[in-house]
Amino acid sequence: EDKVVQSPLSLVVHEGDTVTLNCSYEVTNFRSLLWYKQEKKAPTFLFMLTSSGIEKKSGRLSSILDKKELFSILNITATQTGDSAVYLCAGITQGGSEKLVFGKGTKLTVNP
Amino acid sequence: DGGITQSPKYLFRKEGQNVTLSCEQNLNHDAMYWYRQDPGQGLRLIYYSQIVNDFQKGDIAEGYSVSREKKESFPLTVTSAQKNPTAFYLCASSRQNRGTDTQYFGPGTRLTVL
Repeated sequence: EDKVVQSPLSLVVHEGDTVTLNCSYEVTNFRSLLWYKQEKKAPTFLFMLTSSGIEKKSGRLSSILDKKELFSILNITATQTGDSAVYLCAGITQGGSEKLVFGKGTKLTVNP
Repeated sequence: DGGITQSPKYLFRKEGQNVTLSCEQNLNHDAMYWYRQDPGQGLRLIYYSQIVNDFQKGDIAEGYSVSREKKESFPLTVTSAQKNPTAFYLCASSRQNRGTDTQYFGPGTRLTVL
């Protein structure tokens, strides 16, 4: 059975801290991994990672995929209160029934 | 504006009633998806469609039905057979369903069954 496991499930930090969110996956015919940020409603896209070892960056956020260890991390540096959200990781299968398999998310709370 | 719209935002229904959630996109995306999200849980796939007039069951399709008569529209019906329908429902779309295309989400519908 395909599964994606995120850790920690919740995290509370102070503004300015750096955080690392973890995502491990066991996905049949794995193609890519996605990170989303979900505040109150719809998840918004952050990164798609397809190749191992290549870091993707967007401002204070960065992410990398390790296809050998079946693992990805999302780093957020100099956190701000606006970073408070649930961060979702999803693995994409490829093949006849491509679909996303989501983890339960990491709830990040950044306190001032 | 291009995007995905879902309506209504909040929906209340009595137990035993069928209810249909709307999802429309004007992104010209081929693939559309329905997910369910429960508190503290990740998103779980209900149904998805790769092309008009075709759709496949996801991981938790029991008690749900869909149709894809138009490219832009992918309504989800929550039937009375769904044992625990109260949840947050998210619709998504992607250009195609090849595993390389990002899914973009609508704002969601929160369904409460009384």
